[in-house]
Amino acid sequence: GAVVSQHPSWVICKSGTSVKIECRSLDFQATTMFWYRQFPKQSLMLMATSNEGSKATYEQGVEKDKFLINHASLTLSTLTVTSAHPEDSSFYICSASLGLSKDTQYFGPGTRLTVL
Amino acid sequence: AQKVTQAQTEISVVEKEDVTLDCVYETRDTTYYLFWYKQPPSGELVFLIRRNSFDEQNEISGRYSWNFQKSTSSFNFTITASQVVDSAVYFCALRGLYGGSQGNLIFGKGTKLSVKP
Repeated sequence: GAVVSQHPSWVICKSGTSVKIECRSLDFQATTMFWYRQFPKQSLMLMATSNEGSKATYEQGVEKDKFLINHASLTLSTLTVTSAHPEDSSFYICSASLGLSKDTQYFGPGTRLTVL
Repeated sequence: AQKVTQAQTEISVVEKEDVTLDCVYETRDTTYYLFWYKQPPSGELVFLIRRNSFDEQNEISGRYSWNFQKSTSSFNFTITASQVVDSAVYFCALRGLYGGSQGNLIFGKGTKLSVKP
């Protein structure tokens, strides 16, 4: 099956610092990657969609200057939370697909970010 | 507009009981895809099934079965002879070709299943 990895699995940082989260598709080339955010006991909220080699498309209400997304290759996308604040503490999950609408999204294990 | 409703917030059963998780969806697309994902306490979403709108045949995979009823816009998930390892949050999701947010996955709020020994 398709495997997606995320690194780190958890991170604790001080307020004001930036944190980078990596998402990799290990056994397939992901034309499209997605970044989600999940608060405790809630569903997944799509933050942005990124296609390899182009700018990410952000969902309404998501600050693109705060959540920088780079999809530099077909197997790697990164999410950088800039100048993190405690309210950014959350579970961030990425997913990857081949890019066709019919394709299944395969999810990474998630990254738990805690901002002190 | 696209929407997925999982009316059951939490379900608790005793091991070996059968349990059905409900999913009702709304979409204007004629072609769409439905998914079920499992999220165990570890957090990782595990893909369980994908079904396209033209295939109403029910599917069985081991103890799991899915009932797709287009007439009622439902895609219910049944676990037979539940086990403790089935304890997780289960998400139903919809992806249209043309509707919603660029054809992205629309998730329900999830149903937390607790299977007690």
